[in-house]
Amino acid sequence: SQQGEEDPQALSIQEGENATMNCSYKTSINNLQWYRQNSGRGLVHLILIRSNEREKHSGRLRVTLDTSKKSSSLLITASRAADTASYFCATLNTGTASKLTFGTGTRLQVTL
Amino acid sequence: DAGVTQSPTHLIKTRGQQVTLRCSPKSGHDTVSWYQQALGQGPQFIFQYYEEEERQRGNFPDRFSGHQFPNYSSELNVNALLLGDSALYLCASSPTFTAKNIQYFGAGTRLSVL
Repeated sequence: SQQGEEDPQALSIQEGENATMNCSYKTSINNLQWYRQNSGRGLVHLILIRSNEREKHSGRLRVTLDTSKKSSSLLITASRAADTASYFCATLNTGTASKLTFGTGTRLQVTL
Repeated sequence: DAGVTQSPTHLIKTRGQQVTLRCSPKSGHDTVSWYQQALGQGPQFIFQYYEEEERQRGNFPDRFSGHQFPNYSSELNVNALLLGDSALYLCASSPTFTAKNIQYFGAGTRLSVL
């Protein structure tokens, strides 16, 4: 079963705008990761945030984590057409060793 | 340095048949996980192999089985195919149980069951 929900399910913005996607999960986690998937192919790891961290940056990506609300957000700043993809959060849950549990994903469309 | 490779890329089968999917992990990785991704959904964990043994399993029936070879490559077998098995099957590799567990994914095998 999926870990939780991501919203919005779909997001359409213009190039240069910021994109924010949210992820909710259900159980205690060791870390939360964000992955990108282009056109239904393989997933690419973007960024990881540990359960004891609140914010992480990597280039144009900013991730926040609120463990009290069991939620995370991914912000992509100054979006580009090449950012068009589906974005998934995935949690490494406490006590499940190295099994990742994915959310339902957000489809991002960046137009020129 | 080759990443995770999967074969075949596409496969068409009929109900009741059996299928084998293959995966070669990224160099230096010894843990292989398999995921099933239905259209419009996130990947769902099938099972994970390490040291040629199944270490964790998701909520999938026994029709789904796997194997890991001494060179760390892996196979996913699905017996008695159902229409609902149509999906993208993703293989991911990672180094031995790390605290981070960042997984590296292959491009997937798209299975269509008719």
